[in-house]
Amino acid sequence: GAGVSQSPSNKVTEKGKDVELRCDPISGHTALYWYRQSLGQGLEFLIYFQGNSAPDKSGLPSDRFSAERTGGSVSTLTIQRTQQEDSAVYLCASSSRDRGGDEQFFGPGTRLTVL
Amino acid sequence: GQSLEQPSEVTAVEGAIVQINCTYQTSGFYGLSWYQQHDGGAPTFLSYNALDGLEETGRFSSFLSRSDSYGYLLLQELQMKDSASYFCALPRSNYQLIWGAGTKLIIKP
Repeated sequence: GAGVSQSPSNKVTEKGKDVELRCDPISGHTALYWYRQSLGQGLEFLIYFQGNSAPDKSGLPSDRFSAERTGGSVSTLTIQRTQQEDSAVYLCASSSRDRGGDEQFFGPGTRLTVL
Repeated sequence: GQSLEQPSEVTAVEGAIVQINCTYQTSGFYGLSWYQQHDGGAPTFLSYNALDGLEETGRFSSFLSRSDSYGYLLLQELQMKDSASYFCALPRSNYQLIWGAGTKLIIKP
């Protein structure tokens, strides 16, 4: 079976532009997570979905960040008016259960560079 | 709040044993997870300890002491492919994971 996929793998954009990052979780996984990782750092939690709802958006850095999930499957993370500090690798993970200690399966990430 | 501390870098020799320590502070404890991440790759799950003691999975073992707020990852019979970053992570409430900054493991032949 397929793992978690993300697209695009790389995105270079100009400051002020909007970007959309896509995540396709493992089929049947109800929990979906978005993280951000800067070079040499740990992962920073952004948002969690259980089904199509996001009970925890506390990690989103600003109101320029938003995310949605449709059909309990694909999720899109949107960053509006990108800033240079948004440059990072954005990772998506899914899990068959909604407990943080359960194994999370990660996608390969989207490397975002804001010029 | 929650925080985790782990060494930034550990060096070991191929075939040897290495221990990567993790200390944590948390107001509510749900367990301690470990993930491996190769350069340019995605994190992959290694282990999860909710109770004290040692859990063994092949060459990798993970230990937890809740009274000491301490855990470690033990890698035996090191292979060059084990060169990676290793992260400890704290589940917060039921779903969120708080990650340490990671330990880069360098293995020398």
